[in-house]
Amino acid sequence: SAVISQKPSRDICQRGTSLTIQCQVDSQVTMMFWYRQQPGQSLTLIATANQGSEATYESGFVIDKFPISRPNLTFSTLTVSNMSPEDSSIYLCSVAAGTAAGELFFGEGSRLTVL
Amino acid sequence: KQEVTQIPAALSVPEGENLVLNCSFTDSAIYNLQWFRQDPGKGLTSLLLIQSSQREQTSGRLNASLDKSSGRSTLYIAASQPGDSATYLCAVSGGTLGRLYFGRGTQLTVWP
Repeated sequence: SAVISQKPSRDICQRGTSLTIQCQVDSQVTMMFWYRQQPGQSLTLIATANQGSEATYESGFVIDKFPISRPNLTFSTLTVSNMSPEDSSIYLCSVAAGTAAGELFFGEGSRLTVL
Repeated sequence: KQEVTQIPAALSVPEGENLVLNCSFTDSAIYNLQWFRQDPGKGLTSLLLIQSSQREQTSGRLNASLDKSSGRSTLYIAASQPGDSATYLCAVSGGTLGRLYFGRGTQLTVWP
């Protein structure tokens, strides 16, 4: 397994501002993933963060709204840009680091509330 | 697109009961299925992972089964305890690493 730390754990933001979420893993991993959990909804994959190349975004998510950085094999950031109340969600960082192929582990999440 | 449904949405039981949580998925071409636990305001804790070639996995009081052909999985919790209170999430993978399709979860409350 892997230990995944996220910052901030929660924040209250004003409409129109941007916030960057950090994700730190205790071991080197090839791929990191960012998920969103809107209130009362299931988790949805936003993008895959690749080290040394641009992130790969899922349908419905764009780089201008959710820019991602992946400077090394243990760290990634997700920025939520020009926030609106609809962006109020829990954002979770995830890595594949289990002994079983494809097993995902998640961080504690970052709960954002946009006023 | 894969859709995952979990039934029931909420469950409240007294301590000591044996429980069954259900998960169904629409596309049987899955790579694996993973059960998670999520405590309020927290991230996800991986409980069990079943590969598509497997029928079940066990960890302590937890047993998860998979019937890929019918698109179903169950999570069995034996001798439930108040500490088991949490939301349980089912997720399936179609083979693309990192892309899991989640259900909305079953919110479990075990009271003393």
